[in-house]
Amino acid sequence: AQTVTQSQPEMSVQEAETVTLSCTYDTSESDYYLFWYKQPPSRQMILVIRQEAYKQQNATENRFSVNFQKAAKSFSLKISDSQLGDAAMYFCAYRSYGGATNKLIFGTGTLLAVQP
Amino acid sequence: SAVISQKPSRDICQRGTSLTIQCQVDSQVTMMFWYRQQPGQSLTLIATANQGSEATYESGFVIDKFPISRPNLTFSTLTVSNMSPEDSSIYLCSVRTGGAGRGNYGYTFGSGTRLTVV
Repeated sequence: AQTVTQSQPEMSVQEAETVTLSCTYDTSESDYYLFWYKQPPSRQMILVIRQEAYKQQNATENRFSVNFQKAAKSFSLKISDSQLGDAAMYFCAYRSYGGATNKLIFGTGTLLAVQP
Repeated sequence: SAVISQKPSRDICQRGTSLTIQCQVDSQVTMMFWYRQQPGQSLTLIATANQGSEATYESGFVIDKFPISRPNLTFSTLTVSNMSPEDSSIYLCSVRTGGAGRGNYGYTFGSGTRLTVV
C-alpha cells in the first residue's frame, strides 16, 4: 500500500522569505499523481499544486514550485516570497493513476506559520 | 472546477444520536468521497459514493456507522450514527473534477462539517 510521510509537523518562515516543505512517499507504482493542498483555519482544502509522475519537469504555480525526485520518492514544496496568507496546514497527497481506486492518500501535514 | 456546498458547517450533538451531513455539487460528478479529519490529524477516507450503487467503505469504517446515500449525480449525504465523543471530527466531502486528459483533473473539497459530540 502507498504511504505519504511529512516529517516536519511545524515550520516557520519570515514574511518575504522562502520555505521548503518536505514530503516523501512509498509506492511500487510507476505512474501516479502528487498534490499539495493547503488548509487554512477556515478548513477549506485548497489545491496548491499538482505533479504527474510521468513528467520530469517540476510543476510551478506562481510563488509555489515543487522539487520532484521520482527515484528518491520525494516531492517537496517551495514557497517563495512568503505572505501572511500562506499560513496554513499543508498536506501532501498521492493518487494512483488508473485502476479502480480514485482516492487520495494524505500525509500527516505541516503547519506553516508566517512571521511578519 | 466544481463548487461544493456542505451543510451543516458545524454542530454539537448528544452522544447516541445521529447527524446527517449533506453535500451538494453544482455539476454532475461520478464519484464523491467522504473524509474524516480528527483533531490535529490528517484526512482519512471513509468511503467512496457512486451514484446508483452501494458506497465502498475503507478498512475500519462500516455502513452501519456511516451510512451514505447518493440519490443522483450532484448530491450525497453521510450519516454519523449512534455518536460517541470519539466521533468528534471534521467531516469533508470531495469530488474529482476536470475532464478527460491526464493533466486536467484535481479534487475539490467542501468546506467541512465540524462535529462535536458531548
